Amino acid sequence: DGGITQSPKYLFRKEGQNVTLSCEQNLNHDAMYWYRQDPGQGLRLIYYSQIVNDFQKGDIAEGYSVSREKKESFPLTVTSAQKNPTAFYLCASAKGNFPYEQYFGPGTRLTVT
Amino acid sequence: RKEVEQDPGPFNVPEGATVAFNCTYSNSASQSFFWYRQDCRKEPKLLMSVYSSGNEDGRFTAQLNRASQYISLLIRDSKLSDSATYLCVVNSLPGAGSYQLTFGKGTKLSVIP
Repeated sequence: DGGITQSPKYLFRKEGQNVTLSCEQNLNHDAMYWYRQDPGQGLRLIYYSQIVNDFQKGDIAEGYSVSREKKESFPLTVTSAQKNPTAFYLCASAKGNFPYEQYFGPGTRLTVT
Repeated sequence: RKEVEQDPGPFNVPEGATVAFNCTYSNSASQSFFWYRQDCRKEPKLLMSVYSSGNEDGRFTAQLNRASQYISLLIRDSKLSDSATYLCVVNSLPGAGSYQLTFGKGTKLSVIP
């Protein structure tokens, strides 16, 4: 089945630790995205990538890092510099042409204490 | 003015009712428009794209008014399974920025037996 997978579904970390969230897609999509969603809030864009080996900062990139070494994979690292890392993290992908609709993975719920 | 604005609700409606959601967007250069559905603690899922001529998918009808920068979603004969948060989504920028979507905070719908 084609789709987007994120792992793990739930992740718990201690403050001060870096953590990497996985995102894989087998849809042959060019573009991939990371969003963060806080309770009662909309989705906020962290990073996106339109092509392998290239990525751009979104609206809230501080404290996060990404890589795009393969078309299928776009891991997100939440660093200790991120002040409020506890959130629901969503990965999405898109073909990269009009109308630019995005498809989401199931998300990773990160709790940092 | 917020980029994408929606009434947060909640809308509590009885089964079988017709309910309408509205959304306004600020960027007149936006090219593509969508409604997504998000169930509690799940990822957003594409419900339908919105075209200038209006489009219908079963019980769902979406309309776009470019002059007023306004998008609507009509749900007829509401089912219990329609209970979810409905997100209005717009691509914000022309050209290279087209890859980015801006999400409204969503309108919560509860269909009551």
